[in-house]
Amino acid sequence: KNQVEQSPQSLIILEGKNCTLQCNYTVSPFSNLRWYKQDTGRGPVSLTIMTFSENTKSNGRYTATLDADTKQSSLHITASQLSDSASYICVVTTSGYSTLTFGKGTMLLVSP
Amino acid sequence: DSGVTQTPKHLITATGQRVTLRCSPRSGDLSVYWYQQSLDQGLQFLIQYYNGEERAKGNILERFSAQQFPDLHSELNLSSLELGDSALYFCASSPYPTADTGELFFGEGSRLTVL
Repeated sequence: KNQVEQSPQSLIILEGKNCTLQCNYTVSPFSNLRWYKQDTGRGPVSLTIMTFSENTKSNGRYTATLDADTKQSSLHITASQLSDSASYICVVTTSGYSTLTFGKGTMLLVSP
Repeated sequence: DSGVTQTPKHLITATGQRVTLRCSPRSGDLSVYWYQQSLDQGLQFLIQYYNGEERAKGNILERFSAQQFPDLHSELNLSSLELGDSALYFCASSPYPTADTGELFFGEGSRLTVL
């Protein structure tokens, strides 16, 4: 069964600090891995998309890594801002299909 | 603004009732996806339409149905509503026939509360 597990479930950090969110997946056949940011009560917004051959992808202060061998990904947020407070969702796509497997997300709270 | 429009934003109804949620995709996008997000749960894929035809089906209940019209907008019909159907319902669109290509653009969701 395709699964995406994220950790931690929630995280509180001080403004200006860095943090790293983790994602482990068991999805086959793998096509790509995406990180989304979802503000409370809003729709998810794409941060990065990585294919099998990509190890790292950045989007501003967000940097995602992918290890396809161990089936792990991380999202690193640098110099956090209050506006980074949101749920961060890891999503893995199955090749050739319309199936996206969503993790439950990590709820990040950036405190002043 | 993703360009995907969902209406209504909020809906409160009673058990046993029927509701219709509407989604207008981004201009030019042929694929529309419907997702359900219950409290503390990940997004669950319900169904996808591509250019008017059903393309893929997820864990959609028999009480739920959807369609995509010639102008590419889509409607999700939920009937015989139960308390457990209370959730956020998201629509996403894409130009491509499968979700493994390109980005999905999500609407702001329709929050359904069944009392």
